[in-house]
Amino acid sequence: AQSVTQLDSQVPVFEEAPVELRCNYSSSVSVYLFWYVQYPNQGLQLLLKYLSGSTLVKGINGFEAEFNKSQTSFHLRKPSVHISDTAEYFCAVSPTSGTYKYIFGTGTRLKVLA
Amino acid sequence: EAGVAQSPRYKIIEKRQSVAFWCNPISGHATLYWYQQILGQGPKLLIQFQNNGVVDDSQLPKDRFSAERLKGVDSTLKIQPAKLEDSAVYLCASSLDGSSNYGYTFGSGTRLTVV
Repeated sequence: AQSVTQLDSQVPVFEEAPVELRCNYSSSVSVYLFWYVQYPNQGLQLLLKYLSGSTLVKGINGFEAEFNKSQTSFHLRKPSVHISDTAEYFCAVSPTSGTYKYIFGTGTRLKVLA
Repeated sequence: EAGVAQSPRYKIIEKRQSVAFWCNPISGHATLYWYQQILGQGPKLLIQFQNNGVVDDSQLPKDRFSAERLKGVDSTLKIQPAKLEDSAVYLCASSLDGSSNYGYTFGSGTRLTVV
């Protein structure tokens, strides 16, 4: 079984400051890792994914994430945030074989302040 | 390409009433998913279809929820009778072939309020 923990339910940050959203996972099998963003009243949009290879993954809108297998983490970072980055961010894992279904974390609400 | 279409966007019903949601996935996507997202929680998979067959419905409350995917395209999710705890956003997603390395494409969801 897999589980995903997003310890921070809300993260306030000032515009143009850097931000890190934390994600830790637990799994007995190999997993793929994902970050999704959800803007108000919209569905989830894929930000980036880690399948294999380089542990530093770059995504859309200037976001990047680093896979750390020893710490079972996949933290999301952006060096300089904008007001438009205000949204809910979800970390998810999926087994690399089998049913492929996603297990989502509870989400982190990023609020960018002017 | 057109995205995943869902309707209605919002629905308010009284407990014990029935309700149905509709989803049209991206053309050519074989796999379709229904997720339930309760306020303050991450989405939870209810059911996964591969073409018109069910792959995983282990978390679907089958005493009140049902879903079908006719002809392997559109899908409907029904709740009968609804309970207060069913208040949530119901998200539909599709993927090309079910392998998660492609990622899913999500619809905008249907926000259900049960009063």
